[in-house]
Amino acid sequence: KAGVTQTPRYLIKTRGQQVTLSCSPISGHRSVSWYQQTPGQGLQFLFEYFSETQRNKGNFPGRFSGRQFSNSRSEMNVSTLELGDSALYLCASSLGGAGRESYEQYFGPGTRLTVT
Amino acid sequence: DQQVKQNSPSLSVQEGRISILNCDYTNSMFDYFLWYKKYPAEGPTFLISISSIKDKNEDGRFTVFLNKSAKHLSLHIVPSQPGDSAVYFCAVSASKIIFGSGTRLSIRP
Repeated sequence: KAGVTQTPRYLIKTRGQQVTLSCSPISGHRSVSWYQQTPGQGLQFLFEYFSETQRNKGNFPGRFSGRQFSNSRSEMNVSTLELGDSALYLCASSLGGAGRESYEQYFGPGTRLTVT
Repeated sequence: DQQVKQNSPSLSVQEGRISILNCDYTNSMFDYFLWYKKYPAEGPTFLISISSIKDKNEDGRFTVFLNKSAKHLSLHIVPSQPGDSAVYFCAVSASKIIFGSGTRLSIRP
């Protein structure tokens, strides 16, 4: 079974631009969550999509948005990029049910975004 | 306001000895407590979990302990092996997963 894939792996953007990151979950997984990882901050939860609907949302500004398609693939968009948005963006998929089906998440390798 | 805290950014343990990683949380309402492990250039991988109704869960060399009165979670690795060198994140599960900032474990020969 193929793992979670994320594209692109590396990205360099200029402040003020926008960016779209893509995530393909494991086949059969209906939940996709996005996280931002910065040094010393751990993994900060952005949002979770389940069956094309946003199910949970973290404390990030509205510049961060996402969506999920009918095949469970997900995209994350960041508009009006700021220098502080430089981070590793990770997506994770899970079955999305209760208990372990939700918290046992499978992570992709991440997209390293650098904003200059 | 950090709900999950890992106060030790790094830990060095000799191969064969016990590694103990610690984590504190603030909210009593979490259902599950988790540990994830992350190698460089890879995403985190799920390691072990414990339900809020238990105080211990073992899986091979890994044991997680939950002290609800102290709001404290710990991961014991016995015996520690070189392949255990990684960043370990504790996390809690409610409506979403909340991760700590991670502890870098180094196993020295």
